[in-house]
Amino acid sequence: EDKVVQSPLSLVVHEGDTVTLNCSYEVTNFRSLLWYKQEKKAPTFLFMLTSSGIEKKSGRLSSILDKKELFSILNITATQTGDSAVYLCAVFNTNAGKSTFGDGTTLTVKP
Amino acid sequence: KAGVTQTPRYLIKTRGQQVTLSCSPISGHRSVSWYQQTPGQGLQFLFEYFSETQRNKGNFPGRFSGRQFSNSRSEMNVSTLELGDSALYLCASSSPGLAGVYNEQFFGPGTRLTVL
Repeated sequence: EDKVVQSPLSLVVHEGDTVTLNCSYEVTNFRSLLWYKQEKKAPTFLFMLTSSGIEKKSGRLSSILDKKELFSILNITATQTGDSAVYLCAVFNTNAGKSTFGDGTTLTVKP
Repeated sequence: KAGVTQTPRYLIKTRGQQVTLSCSPISGHRSVSWYQQTPGQGLQFLFEYFSETQRNKGNFPGRFSGRQFSNSRSEMNVSTLELGDSALYLCASSSPGLAGVYNEQFFGPGTRLTVL
């Protein structure tokens, strides 16, 4: 059974802080790891990671995958109140054709 | 390019009834997956369709079923509704890339089902 564990479950920071969200996984036939941001609606895609050690960046967000240690981190620098959301990590099993999601990290950024 | 659309957005049903939810994927996407999201269980995979065939199924009872049409639109049906079926039902579409590498999934806005 594929498994994804995210930590911390929730986090409260102030604007300008830098945060690191963690995602560890166990999956057979790993193909990719995906990060999503979910506000009060459907998840929106952030990153897809398939190769170890290659950092993906989008503005203040970045993510990296370690396939040997089976984890990924999502960094957000200079946080803003608009970053407040649930951040979901998912792993894609190529044989099953499905994503297994973690429980998410709820990030609250206070002004 | 239009995104994934789901209808209806909100639905209220009573126990024992059945419901059908609809999902239209992004144009050109042939894979459609369905997920159930609840506060207690998070996002859980229901099933995935590709070219009108169910390829993968999660651990849900047989009351949950689906189908996909030739235009890749998909429907999900839940029969004999129970209170615990109240959830946000999300559909996601993706386009398998080269050599079976799956690309990222794009989610629709979801259907919020409330069972009374």
